Amino acid sequence: DAGVTQSPTHLIKTRGQQVTLRCSPKSGHDTVSWYQQALGQGPQFIFQYYEEEERQRGNFPDRFSGHQFPNYSSELNVNALLLGDSALYLCASSYRVGYTFGSGTRLTVV
Amino acid sequence: GQNIDQPTEMTATEGAIVQINCTYQTSGFNGLFWYQQHAGEAPTFLSYNVLDGLEEKGRFSSFLSRSKGYSYLLLKELQMKDSASYLCAVRPGGNTPLVFGKGTRLSVIA
Repeated sequence: DAGVTQSPTHLIKTRGQQVTLRCSPKSGHDTVSWYQQALGQGPQFIFQYYEEEERQRGNFPDRFSGHQFPNYSSELNVNALLLGDSALYLCASSYRVGYTFGSGTRLTVV
Repeated sequence: GQNIDQPTEMTATEGAIVQINCTYQTSGFNGLFWYQQHAGEAPTFLSYNVLDGLEEKGRFSSFLSRSKGYSYLLLKELQMKDSASYLCAVRPGGNTPLVFGKGTRLSVIA
């Protein structure tokens, strides 16, 4: 049973560029949440998708947007990248109680 | 607001027992999670508490006191591979996203 799959694993972008990260949830999970984790910090909630709609959002600017597809997979888009966007981006899928995290995408903005 | 506090760093000796504390103040409470995270990797689920008391799972135990807004993770018979960050996370409501603390970096020494 495949867990949560994220792609790509690593990414280097230049300031001002745009990036799209992808997540395939664990089989049977219908909710996807995205987190940003800076070095040495705990994950910070970006937003959550359920039934193809953004249901909840953390304290992140509109440069961060997302999408969920009918098969429950999800994308995270970040526009106008800043150096401070460099972080590990984690996707977590859930169904009721359990949360399963993907291995993350390490984004470096130079 | 949501606030979760845990010590930043701890050091313990191989074979010993260590207790990692977590206190929380959240808008609601619908479960507390502990995750283990090795450097650069995804968080992996350790334990879940929703009712007061102790949950034991092998070398790991987790305790919850909802009235005190307090939890701890107990690791017994420490091994070198237990060196990692330990994340305390609270789910404030039914299908709300997890709110994480900053994590406790545990170093196990010989």
